[in-house]
Amino acid sequence: RKEVEQDPGPFNVPEGATVAFNCTYSNSASQSFFWYRQDCRKEPKLLMSVYSSGNEDGRFTAQLNRASQYISLLIRDSKLSDSATYLCVVLTSGTYKYIFGTGTRLKVLA
Amino acid sequence: DAGVIQSPRHEVTEMGQEVTLRCKPISGHNSLFWYRQTMMRGLELLIYFNNNVPIDDSGMPEDRFSAKMPNASFSTLKIQPSEPRDSAVYFCASSRSNEKLFFGSGTQLSVL
Repeated sequence: RKEVEQDPGPFNVPEGATVAFNCTYSNSASQSFFWYRQDCRKEPKLLMSVYSSGNEDGRFTAQLNRASQYISLLIRDSKLSDSATYLCVVLTSGTYKYIFGTGTRLKVLA
Repeated sequence: DAGVIQSPRHEVTEMGQEVTLRCKPISGHNSLFWYRQTMMRGLELLIYFNNNVPIDDSGMPEDRFSAKMPNASFSTLKIQPSEPRDSAVYFCASSRSNEKLFFGSGTQLSVL
């Protein structure tokens, strides 16, 4: 079983739609969680950290469920510019090991 | 502020040749990571350093791969000899004490 798993998609949604991605992790000692965004042929860039109580940044909401070992990302009012691959990242307690999921591809359609 | 700087951006080489990828982390960051990305396997962690010391190289695929960090501002990833299956994008990333990870622009490696 992979340490971090994501549905690869693609998710094709119309502009203005709300879309949600989940990511599951296997190591219960995981301590920090992030969502990264990667555009085609570019490096991954931090979208947002994920806090235990959940957090919001504009149209983006991230949540953590430690009991079920998953994190989620919700995008409201999707824009064409949101089209990208969204990578879930998990950092295990006591290490410096950032483990990436394989990413979920989102395509927002006009 | 300068981000993580990688060179070269593109490298095309023939099978059997030595390849050296270079990385300059963000100043003040104490952890450095080398990742490889392919369509099939996604982003794989190859090796990471903390305070210039290699901590975990379990992701390095074979003895043909080696990495060094002689000082806080420079790291290399070397492949010798290179093989076609090494073709991928190699990313370097740095962070400060388990905070956010910042990536360089990557090196697109093609081994013919």
